[in-house]
Amino acid sequence: QKEVEQNSGPLSVPEGAIASLNCTYSDRGSQSFFWYRQYSGKSPELIMFIYSNGDKEDGRFTAQLNKASQYVSLLIRDSQPSDSATYLCAGNDYKLSFGAGTTVTVRA
Amino acid sequence: NAGVTQTPKFQVLKTGQSMTLQCAQDMNHNSMYWYRQDPGMGLRLIYYSASEGTTDKGEVPNGYNVSRLNKREFSLRLESAAPSQTSVYFCASGGGHGGGSPLHFGNGTRLTVT
Repeated sequence: QKEVEQNSGPLSVPEGAIASLNCTYSDRGSQSFFWYRQYSGKSPELIMFIYSNGDKEDGRFTAQLNKASQYVSLLIRDSQPSDSATYLCAGNDYKLSFGAGTTVTVRA
Repeated sequence: NAGVTQTPKFQVLKTGQSMTLQCAQDMNHNSMYWYRQDPGMGLRLIYYSASEGTTDKGEVPNGYNVSRLNKREFSLRLESAAPSQTSVYFCASGGGHGGGSPLHFGNGTRLTVT
């Protein structure tokens, strides 16, 4: 069983809207979480990481971590067509814990 | 600034043939990983190496072998390719020992086994 599960998607949002992606995790010992973006035919690239409970903002991206409820989420504000990609979440133990990915399509 | 370099980029094999995928990183990372990615399956770990001289099985190791040649290089070998091994293979490296730091990915190898 994967330690990290991505349950949402595929997701289609209009340009300028907020895209919300979620992951749940099973290992309460997980300390850090990472969000990767993967364009079609390309390799994953890191866009956000979060270690502490609460929110972390970086430009149009906000990562949220709730350790009590064991979920981590990514918000993309003012979505742009260039945000159309698959988003992968991962826990700090890469042996088992990459989510399957959520494909986001931003409609112009 | 090369990062993680994988070769080859594309490969077509016939069932039963063997090949080695090469991976090298120039970031002085301790950990290196091999993943495969199939449609709808996300990234699945084949093998990883937490440090030079050590290797461990991941989620889907059957049919593969690895070698951590030195700190920079981590190769993946298919001894007898099967159509089920048709996939995109990614090598990655990270600063921590076995996790806890972001991964840097190579550009991938698209392998087709006929």
